[in-house]
Amino acid sequence: SQQGEEDPQALSIQEGENATMNCSYKTSINNLQWYRQNSGRGLVHLILIRSNEREKHSGRLRVTLDTSKKSSSLLITASRAADTASYFCATDKQGAQKLVFGQGTRLTINP
Amino acid sequence: NAGVTQTPKFRVLKTGQSMTLLCAQDMNHEYMYWYRQDPGMGLRLIHYSVGEGTTAKGEVPDGYNVSRLKKQNFLLGLESAAPSQTSVYFCASSWDSGNQPQHFGDGTRLSIL
Repeated sequence: SQQGEEDPQALSIQEGENATMNCSYKTSINNLQWYRQNSGRGLVHLILIRSNEREKHSGRLRVTLDTSKKSSSLLITASRAADTASYFCATDKQGAQKLVFGQGTRLTINP
Repeated sequence: NAGVTQTPKFRVLKTGQSMTLLCAQDMNHEYMYWYRQDPGMGLRLIHYSVGEGTTAKGEVPDGYNVSRLKKQNFLLGLESAAPSQTSVYFCASSWDSGNQPQHFGDGTRLSIL
């Protein structure tokens, strides 16, 4: 069963706009990670946020984590055509030795 | 550094045939994983390994076997391929378990006719 659920499943915006994707999960976690997948390629790690952190930044990426609501959001600011990809959240359940991935959000940036 | 390399990149099999997918990493990672990715299903863990000589079942292990004889290699075997195993297979590796980023290969696209 999926631990993480992304929302929306698909998002299409204009270049320069901000894109926000959400991830909800079911059980307590140690950390949450976000990955990007370009078409025909493997996943690339973007950012990791630990359960005791509330917000983390990396370049144009901003990730928040609300453990009380079991949810996270990924914000991409000033989007570019190169940001077109699928984005996945992955959670590390407490006591587990593996990640569980959500189904992903497919982001399209229109020029 | 090549990172994580998967071979082959594409393969077409007939039902009942067998094959082995190879994953190699040059980062000295302890943990290695095999996933399958199907449309609308995200990534699902097939098997994983926490070190040389170890393997463990993931979410969807049936029909697959794995071996980790060397630290840098993780092999995924299909003994008798079935059409339901048509998928894109990804290998990943990491220093530690879920508290470290995973590094992915570019996948093997497998079709079972």
